[in-house]
Amino acid sequence: NAGVIQTPRHKVTGKGQEATLWCEPISGHSAVFWYRQTIVQGLEFLTYFRNQAPIDDSGMPKERFSAQMPNQSHSTLKIQSTQPQDSAVYLCASSATGGAYAEQFFGPGTRLTVL
Amino acid sequence: AQSVTQPDARVTVSEGASLQLRCKYSSSVTPYLFWYVQYPRQGLQLLLKYYSGDPVVQGVNGFEAEFSKSNSSFHLRKASVHWSDSAVYFCAVSANAYKVIFGKGTHLHVLP
Repeated sequence: NAGVIQTPRHKVTGKGQEATLWCEPISGHSAVFWYRQTIVQGLEFLTYFRNQAPIDDSGMPKERFSAQMPNQSHSTLKIQSTQPQDSAVYLCASSATGGAYAEQFFGPGTRLTVL
Repeated sequence: AQSVTQPDARVTVSEGASLQLRCKYSSSVTPYLFWYVQYPRQGLQLLLKYYSGDPVVQGVNGFEAEFSKSNSSFHLRKASVHWSDSAVYFCAVSANAYKVIFGKGTHLHVLP
């Protein structure tokens, strides 16, 4: 089991460009979470999928962020017109059931730098 | 709504010393409580979790945590730290169906 895979590990974009981040959850896990990690804000919840369906996107900045899970083997987080304040580490996690007590398994993250 | 406070942003201890990392939570219902660890350039890994029963819960690598309802706390302890324990430790709470709220983390630096 390779764990949660995130690609790329590092991404540098210019202001106004688009960034797409990929996540491959652990096989058999039904829940996928996306978080944003910064020194100032810590770990912020962005969005949650269960059985590929979007359940909660309350943490997503509405205008430029979107997430999809087209199949059970991967999820994407897309940021349009990236801004310097989007610079952060974006973490993807999966869990077997998505329940409150279920362990979340985290990927290594994608470090996004917006110049 | 739930919240988590880790009052110590950074803790430095010598190898072999005992450790306590503090965590205070706020929740209107009995929450699920977690400690995760993040090593450099890696994702978070679960150390231990608690919901009910014995207030002292054992985790991996010799870590344990003690739940106190009266103090709304869930402090992490280790009897003797090793240099490899240097990492960022996150306390987390969950009181609804799936959402986990993380504290801002405590950076632990173990002096060899």
